[in-house]
Amino acid sequence: GGIITQTPKFLIGQEGQKLTLKCQQNFNHDTMYWYRQDSGKGLRLIYYSITENDLQKGDLSEGYDASREKKSSFSLTVTSAQKNEMAVFLCASSIAQTNTGQLYFGEGSKLTVL
Amino acid sequence: GEQVEQRPPHLSVPEGDSAVIICTYTDSATAYFYWYKQEPGAGLQLLMSVFSNVDRKEEQGLTVLLNKKDKQLSLNLTAAHPGDSAVYFCAVSLHTGGADRLTFGKGTQLIIQP
Repeated sequence: GGIITQTPKFLIGQEGQKLTLKCQQNFNHDTMYWYRQDSGKGLRLIYYSITENDLQKGDLSEGYDASREKKSSFSLTVTSAQKNEMAVFLCASSIAQTNTGQLYFGEGSKLTVL
Repeated sequence: GEQVEQRPPHLSVPEGDSAVIICTYTDSATAYFYWYKQEPGAGLQLLMSVFSNVDRKEEQGLTVLLNKKDKQLSLNLTAAHPGDSAVYFCAVSLHTGGADRLTFGKGTQLIIQP
């Protein structure tokens, strides 16, 4: 079996700060995702990547940058943290051609902006 | 775009009773349907996936019903036990492959009372 590791698990930042979250997977999956989870709002897709160096915008990409440096890693940057950026960010991965909806999720990174 | 409504947002049932969570979607071309479970401090785990040609699927005390006419998807947990306490998300997808652009419901917090 594989695992998705998100770092850091908890991130505290200042308003206006640039903050980066990292995600590593050892499934050898092609596709990776960043979702934002807000209480009572479900999951919203920020960015996804179907292969190394690929980036695709999701529904919530404004205010974020992403980077797929290699197949196993996908990072997300909050370009300027805002007070309402307190949320949990979930990284996920899947094989390229899946019709099972089998996304494998990390445990999440909780962001708090002071 | 696709909209998914999930209800109820909170559900509390005694141990041994059944719990039902319902999702409605808007796009009749939706092909894939999923239920995910999120335990505290963890990512989401896929419980069941259903293709649009299936009306009913049962696995290990879980029953998924798909009513395409009413665009409704439901999850029934029979004889619930405390280990079923978690947040449950439905998700739907139009795509057959490539990056899974899932649209998630907002989640249901399920509490099983011992």
